Amino acid sequence: SAVISQKPSRDICQRGTSLTIQCQVDSQVTMMFWYRQQPGQSLTLIATANQGSEATYESGFVIDKFPISRPNLTFSTLTVSNMSPEDSSIYLCSVSSGLNTQYFGPGTRLTVL
Amino acid sequence: GENVEQHPSTLSVQEGDSAVIKCTYSDSASNYFPWYKQELGKRPQLIIDIRSNVGEKKDQRIAVTLNKTAKHFSLHITETQPEDSAVYFCAASTSGNQFYFGTGTSLTVIP
Repeated sequence: SAVISQKPSRDICQRGTSLTIQCQVDSQVTMMFWYRQQPGQSLTLIATANQGSEATYESGFVIDKFPISRPNLTFSTLTVSNMSPEDSSIYLCSVSSGLNTQYFGPGTRLTVL
Repeated sequence: GENVEQHPSTLSVQEGDSAVIKCTYSDSASNYFPWYKQELGKRPQLIIDIRSNVGEKKDQRIAVTLNKTAKHFSLHITETQPEDSAVYFCAASTSGNQFYFGTGTSLTVIP
């Protein structure tokens, strides 16, 4: 399976600021996704990052709050904008090369003060 | 949209015993059902998956069964070991893109 890295691995941010999380894959993949996992909770899909076009957002998530870029088949970014303490969570990217299977990156642990 | 329910939320077993985790789904169009294991502080790892054209799949001590009529699928771990202790998530997917995850089961294997 692909090797997936995320940067930063963790960060502590102030309320009202923004953080951009990077996801890098060592090979070209068809699909890239962004998830949120709140403490002790399950995984919730934020959006599908589409290469060369706007991301597809799930219900409850909007582009102004979570802008996403995917400039090529190996890289994507997720920005968490105008952060509040409720945004404290682990953010994970995942990738799929077809056959449905998704593999997850190591995650970014975000704390908003 | 799809709704995936997972039970139990916590499960404790003695080492060597079997563990069973059950999930139900609501969308009959779902056709792909992966299971992930997440150890504390680590990423979810795919451990086994099953597609709707298969009723059962086994990989060493892990097996998954699928009942499409009843819309439920289960994870079976036999001869449990302490390293099996983790949170397990089931998921269902219709398109292969949108994964709907269950709420997770925290499994503790007692030595």
